[in-house]
Amino acid sequence: DADVTQTPRNRITKTGKRIMLECSQTKGHDRMYWYRQDPGLGLRLIYYSFDVKDINKGEISDGYSVSRQAQAKFSLSLESAIPNQTALYFCATSDAPRGGRFGHNEQFFGPGTRLTVL
Amino acid sequence: AQSVTQLGSHVSVSEGALVLLRCNYSSSVPPYLFWYVQYPNQGLQLLLKYTTGATLVKGINGFEAEFKKSETSFHLTKPSAHMSDAAEYFCAVSRNTGNQFYFGTGTSLTVIP
Repeated sequence: DADVTQTPRNRITKTGKRIMLECSQTKGHDRMYWYRQDPGLGLRLIYYSFDVKDINKGEISDGYSVSRQAQAKFSLSLESAIPNQTALYFCATSDAPRGGRFGHNEQFFGPGTRLTVL
Repeated sequence: AQSVTQLGSHVSVSEGALVLLRCNYSSSVPPYLFWYVQYPNQGLQLLLKYTTGATLVKGINGFEAEFKKSETSFHLTKPSAHMSDAAEYFCAVSRNTGNQFYFGTGTSLTVIP
């Protein structure tokens, strides 16, 4: 079974709709991340969370919100989807300890959600 | 701020030829360096990473990378390309004092039979 899962894997929606992307992990990691991938731009960080009560904005948080329901679950919401939010979205986790020197810890990625906003 | 530059958004090599994917970073303090691979319709998978110690790092599937501080580079190589190496490759940096990974824009590797 996959350690980091994302649902749905594919979603087509219309402009103005609210949509939620979900991420679950069985790795027991505290840190979770949401990225979006666009061709030619690589991966850019949307939000990250160190634990249930600690959520932080990333590079491109405008138009997005997140919820950390439990250690294992981290959801990304688009309150009112727009076409330029069409992208591939990835959830990732890291076992870096809170307050520790975490730079060397790798991130583990889910399979991605392909979102199309018409 | 961190930045990562991957020269060449598309690289094509013949099967059996050397693979060289370039990555340069900008940082006043040597960062931690990573290479990830993304196969079609999949998430990213760690190939290798440099943290401290030996500057030549060996990873999975025969890949290796060398950290060169003087050149601020972390190029990825493989002596002999295989068809299964066709994928997107991302270089990334991280630091202890930061809170995130910074990814390059990616290099798509095509292997020609």
